[in-house]
Amino acid sequence: AQKVTQAQTEISVVEKEDVTLDCVYETRDTTYYLFWYKQPPSGELVFLIRRNSFDEQNEISGRYSWNFQKSTSSFNFTITASQVVDSAVYFCALSGENTDKLIFGTGTRLQVFP
Amino acid sequence: GAVVSQHPSWVICKSGTSVKIECRSLDFQATTMFWYRQFPKQSLMLMATSNEGSKATYEQGVEKDKFLINHASLTLSTLTVTSAHPEDSSFYICSARAGAGVGYGYTFGSGTRLTVV
Repeated sequence: AQKVTQAQTEISVVEKEDVTLDCVYETRDTTYYLFWYKQPPSGELVFLIRRNSFDEQNEISGRYSWNFQKSTSSFNFTITASQVVDSAVYFCALSGENTDKLIFGTGTRLQVFP
Repeated sequence: GAVVSQHPSWVICKSGTSVKIECRSLDFQATTMFWYRQFPKQSLMLMATSNEGSKATYEQGVEKDKFLINHASLTLSTLTVTSAHPEDSSFYICSARAGAGVGYGYTFGSGTRLTVV
C-alpha cells in the first residue's frame, strides 16, 4: 500500500524565517515519483517539483529546496526566507509503477506573518 | 506547458438537481483523467480514474450512480453529480495525464467549488 504522511498540520512563521515541511512516504514500488504541490486560498494546485526514486540529489530552486532521503523515506521541503505570499497549503504526493494514482498527504497549512 | 481547463469554477445548485463539471486538456491528449474531491481543510481524495473510451474505475466508497464520469475523447472528461444534496458540496478537481505510467506528469485543473443549497 502507498501512503504519504505529513505530520505537521499547521505551521506559523514570521516573514524571513526558514521553514521545513516534512513528508514521509511508504511504498513497495521500486520505481516511484514524489511530488510537492502548493494550494493557495484560490484552490488551484501549483506544481512545485517531481522527483523520481532513482534521483536522490537534492534540488534548489530559488528560495525552495528539497531533501530526498530514501534511507528514511522522506522528501522534505524547505522554504528559505519565507514571505507572506508563501502562505498556502502544501501537499506532498506519491505515485508508483504499480498504480496510476497520485496519492496525497493530508497537507501542511503554512501561514507566514509579516 | 500542459494546460487543463476546468469549468465551471464555481456553481450553486438546488438540492435534487444535477451538475456537470468539464475538464479539458488544451494542448495534449489525456489518455487518463482523474477526479478528486476536497472537503474544507482536508486533503484531495481520489474519486475515480478514467481512461478514454473506457468505463471509469471508482475508488471504494464512491457511488458510481451518483458521480457519473464520461471520458469520451482524449481531451474531455466530465463529472456529473446527479441528484445533488448539500453533503455533496465540495471542491472538485480534475487531473489529466498524457500517457500511461509514472513517467508522465499530472496536470491539474483549477477546480470547481460546488455548493448545493
